[in-house]
Amino acid sequence: DTEVTQTPKHLVMGMTNKKSLKCEQHMGHRAMYWYKQKAKKPPELMFVYSYEKLSINESVPSRFSPECPNSSLLNLHLHALQPEDSALYLCASSQRIYNEQFFGPGTRLTVL
Amino acid sequence: TQLLEQSPQFLSIQEGENLTVYCNSSSVFSSLQWYRQEPGEGPVLLVTVVTGGEVKKLKRLTFQFGDARKDSSLHITAAQPGDTGLYLCAGEDSNYQLIWGAGTKLIIKP
Repeated sequence: DTEVTQTPKHLVMGMTNKKSLKCEQHMGHRAMYWYKQKAKKPPELMFVYSYEKLSINESVPSRFSPECPNSSLLNLHLHALQPEDSALYLCASSQRIYNEQFFGPGTRLTVL
Repeated sequence: TQLLEQSPQFLSIQEGENLTVYCNSSSVFSSLQWYRQEPGEGPVLLVTVVTGGEVKKLKRLTFQFGDARKDSSLHITAAQPGDTGLYLCAGEDSNYQLIWGAGTKLIIKP
């Protein structure tokens, strides 16, 4: 299995809602990432987990809260988001930190 | 701050033409990765180059890593509409961080 899966594919939420994005990989990769991507821009790194521990938090606002329940799963909990948080949220995994990354299809998030 | 400058930012050409995309930096990278991303999808890894001067071929795509490992190029021969997408380069620096280029949006017109 060489796939990274992400759910949901699309998400529309209000500024007072709480929602979660989910990511799963079964390639035995030990590093997992959350990226945010705006239209026509490269992905911006948000969080990196290595061996299920948070390694890097790129100064992301606390309304985004990552969680790594086990080596295959990565969640991103969302609360009190702003309209400017609307973007494509990408999950990726790699064998080791910053190695070649395998991306999921992304969650298109719209905050109203 | 390390930068990976990608050029051109946008390229629209006719089917059958050749093109080259460049990634340049003043920093040395231990490896450089090229990805292609289609609208609404995640980037897909095309190739990783590791050795200075290395050339890798993927069908009509030729990737080269500069001798000093500071730059890379992607050359597409006889471009096809299926080559349309956002091409991203990403370099792994000495701190094991991945530095991303801004991307090249490529459109191949039939």
